[in-house]
Amino acid sequence: GAGVSQTPSNKVTEKGKYVELRCDPISGHTALYWYRQSLGQGPEFLIYFQGTGAADDSGLPNDRFFAVRPEGSVSTLKIQRTERGDSAVYLCASSFRASEKLFFGSGTQLSVL
Amino acid sequence: AQSVTQLGSHVSVSEGALVLLRCNYSSSVPPYLFWYVQYPNQGLQLLLKYTSAATLVKGINGFEAEFKKSETSFHLTKPSAHMSDAAEYFCAVSGRNNDMRFGAGTRLTVKP
Repeated sequence: GAGVSQTPSNKVTEKGKYVELRCDPISGHTALYWYRQSLGQGPEFLIYFQGTGAADDSGLPNDRFFAVRPEGSVSTLKIQRTERGDSAVYLCASSFRASEKLFFGSGTQLSVL
Repeated sequence: AQSVTQLGSHVSVSEGALVLLRCNYSSSVPPYLFWYVQYPNQGLQLLLKYTSAATLVKGINGFEAEFKKSETSFHLTKPSAHMSDAAEYFCAVSGRNNDMRFGAGTRLTVKP
């Protein structure tokens, strides 16, 4: 596709459930980033991939959060035992190389009831 | 890790007035600095980027930013505000690990 694609666009789940959020970056982009954005806040860095490896996962809030990018393209953010505080918009972005212009997806609005 | 601080969560200007949005950074290595804009109900878009080639960076829609190492600042300016500039503006920094960290954002309101 022409842009960064995130699915689903909306996800409603119950407290304690497991969720997966998918990001399909622009073809050829080696760097992929996950952010979380709450209303009225800036994007909060979660994790950054260079190729298949997580170059920096220091933003993941706790061990309930995990992300993979097994083939260096599509990435999945996984959240176990969801909590109401996890509710936010989860943004994915990719760039051709690290520290270059980020192209953002439209985000996944996660609501934990 | 590197970080940015945006001074002022809300800025309001009159149409035609100067826009000044403030950003200060912290980085242990020469940083790459960015300004992104988020219009209502849209995704983030790059306005401009500093990569050490020139301290004054020009971006889209008449915006520019000046890198001042002595002040660790990268403030965003536009000489004359338009109504269409109303949006949320985010400063971002990329450092040693190439991770990109964003500020909390500044909401710009433009009054007619």
